[in-house]
Amino acid sequence: SQTIHQWPATLVQPVGSPLSLECTVEGTSNPNLYWYRQAAGRGLQLLFYSVGIGQISSEVPQNLSASRPQDRQFILSSKKLLLSDSGFYLCAWSVLRARSGANVLTFGAGSRLTVL
Amino acid sequence: GQQVMQIPQYQHVQEGEDFTTYCNSSTTLSNIQWYKQRPGGHPVFLIQLVKSGEVKKQKRLTFQFGEAKKNSSLHITATQTTDVGTYFCAGPKDSSYKLIFGSGTRLLVRP
Repeated sequence: SQTIHQWPATLVQPVGSPLSLECTVEGTSNPNLYWYRQAAGRGLQLLFYSVGIGQISSEVPQNLSASRPQDRQFILSSKKLLLSDSGFYLCAWSVLRARSGANVLTFGAGSRLTVL
Repeated sequence: GQQVMQIPQYQHVQEGEDFTTYCNSSTTLSNIQWYKQRPGGHPVFLIQLVKSGEVKKQKRLTFQFGEAKKNSSLHITATQTTDVGTYFCAGPKDSSYKLIFGSGTRLLVRP
């Protein structure tokens, strides 16, 4: 069966420090991978998605970046964190269903980032 | 740009009462999905609707996709405390790879 791992679960970082959140998927190949951010009590904002190794699409301008060095690994990074980067970061994977065209997401447990 | 909106933002009900959340898209959707996020947890897929006018049921939950495929609803009959959480609808944007989430409806249930 497929599983998704995301770490670290909780992170407290000072403003201006770097960030690296990692996500790996097991039990599937060539998944679509996603990073979403959720501010406290708010909805889910799509940050990045990837349909293959080295292929990254960015949805919003920001000081975050994403990389996909391996098929089932997705990394979210920042060189210098801002206060506004605080939030709940969720990694997700999917496989596009050809018959219905639906793209159902399976989320990781999330990484809660507090920037002080 | 394409938007997916949900109402209400928040609802507090007495256990046993019914609950409905509504989802509206500014564009026609090829499909719509619903997710539930428990407090402190991550979103979990509930169901997807593909056909115009489609209605699906999961025990006390009824999901409906509008005829024009621009709106959807989730109705919970006789809420229980286990229904507490935030319910999100989501639809594809521009391409099937990009899933855009509504703002969510947070449900609280008084025992």
